[in-house]
Amino acid sequence: EPEVTQTPSHQVTQMGQEVILRCVPISNHLYFYWYRQILGQKVEFLVSFYNNEISEKSEIFDDQFSVERPDGSNFTLKIRSTKLEDSAMYFCASRAGQYNQPQHFGDGTRLSIL
Amino acid sequence: AQRVTQPEKLLSVFKGAPVELKCNYSYSGSPELFWYVQYSRQRLQLLLRHISRESIKGFTADLNKGETSFHLKKPFAQEEDSAMYYCALLVPMDSNYQLIWGAGTKLIIKP
Repeated sequence: EPEVTQTPSHQVTQMGQEVILRCVPISNHLYFYWYRQILGQKVEFLVSFYNNEISEKSEIFDDQFSVERPDGSNFTLKIRSTKLEDSAMYFCASRAGQYNQPQHFGDGTRLSIL
Repeated sequence: AQRVTQPEKLLSVFKGAPVELKCNYSYSGSPELFWYVQYSRQRLQLLLRHISRESIKGFTADLNKGETSFHLKKPFAQEEDSAMYYCALLVPMDSNYQLIWGAGTKLIIKP
């Protein structure tokens, strides 16, 4: 069964550095998402992406964040200047075209900001 | 405002006992709800969705619009059911949909 894959599984970065989290969605999916889960807290929506542009974003997704689909297969989340509070699990998800198709999640990337 | 509430952070029951994980939602439109499960060190996986009205791994969930609830139930818990369970509400946005998540309930099945 096809899966969403995320790399790396764990990223450790100094505060203020840029970080790029990578995701490869399921190949025939059209909608892509990033979520964040701070340790001990709920999963939070960050951004959704469709047709090569952001379709929705949350208040969390400020100017420090950006997403890209650079080559038609990867879907990346970039944090330009990381802060301590960016430490969290970041999940990528994708879904097929029909609106009520479920989102399929990757294993997540644990981001630790020192 | 759209909101999903899972009142129990932790639920611990003995193997073979019935399980009910509570989920309440707040949404003005016609709700579409999901249960996701996250086993230890694994990804979030879809467990079930209310529109399919199916039973997965012995779990069922019924949408009760009057009580705005979508509780997850299983008559006889098994040790392998130990996991984090998340209730989620699908909400349409301008050109897409997003999931609004509950805080999750950690289910521990004691032998």
